[in-house]
Amino acid sequence: DVKVTQSSRYLVKRTGEKVFLECVQDMDHENMFWYRQDPGLGLRLIYFSYDVKMKEKGDIPEGYSVSREKKERFSLILESASTNQTSMYLCASSLYGQSNQPQHFGDGTRLSIL
Amino acid sequence: AQSVTQPDIHITVSEGASLELRCNYSYGATPYLFWYVQSPGQGLQLLLKYFSGDTLVQGIKGFEAEFKRSQSSFNLRKPSVHWSDAAEYFCAVGPSLNTGFQKLVFGTGTRLLVSP
Repeated sequence: DVKVTQSSRYLVKRTGEKVFLECVQDMDHENMFWYRQDPGLGLRLIYFSYDVKMKEKGDIPEGYSVSREKKERFSLILESASTNQTSMYLCASSLYGQSNQPQHFGDGTRLSIL
Repeated sequence: AQSVTQPDIHITVSEGASLELRCNYSYGATPYLFWYVQSPGQGLQLLLKYFSGDTLVQGIKGFEAEFKRSQSSFNLRKPSVHWSDAAEYFCAVGPSLNTGFQKLVFGTGTRLLVSP
């Protein structure tokens, strides 16, 4: 069965810290995604990657960066955390980039920035 | 660009009653359509998807959805709701292009509450 694992379910950090959110998939999927989920706003795409070391900005990339050094791992980095980045972060993967490929999601990381 | 609207933020349904969650999309052609469910504290799970063909699609957990081109809708239904169906439901739309990367656009979600 498909498995997307996010390293932390809950995380509390301080303003100005550099924060790393890790995601690992075990399906040999080409594509990986980071979304942010906020009440009333649904899911918004931050960044995605279609291959190792390749990345593209999504709809809300400001304040974030990503890293994909290995196919199975996709990291989201908050360069200098701010309180407005308190949110639920969801990682997903899909086999290919076409939109008929279902995305498989991890359980999410609820991040609080104090 | 495609967009999707879920007009109901919350819906409360009695256990055993029928359910319909609304989803309207905007796209120039027939898109790919999905319904996902998110149980509390978990990620999203795919319920069903529509690409082409029969406009009534069956999914997991007894859910079905009907694509209506004339109404630009893809409503989710279940004939008899169980307490375990309480969750948040997301409709998503993607362009029906088979080249290059195509992103999904998600609706804002509908939270389903099930009363005893």
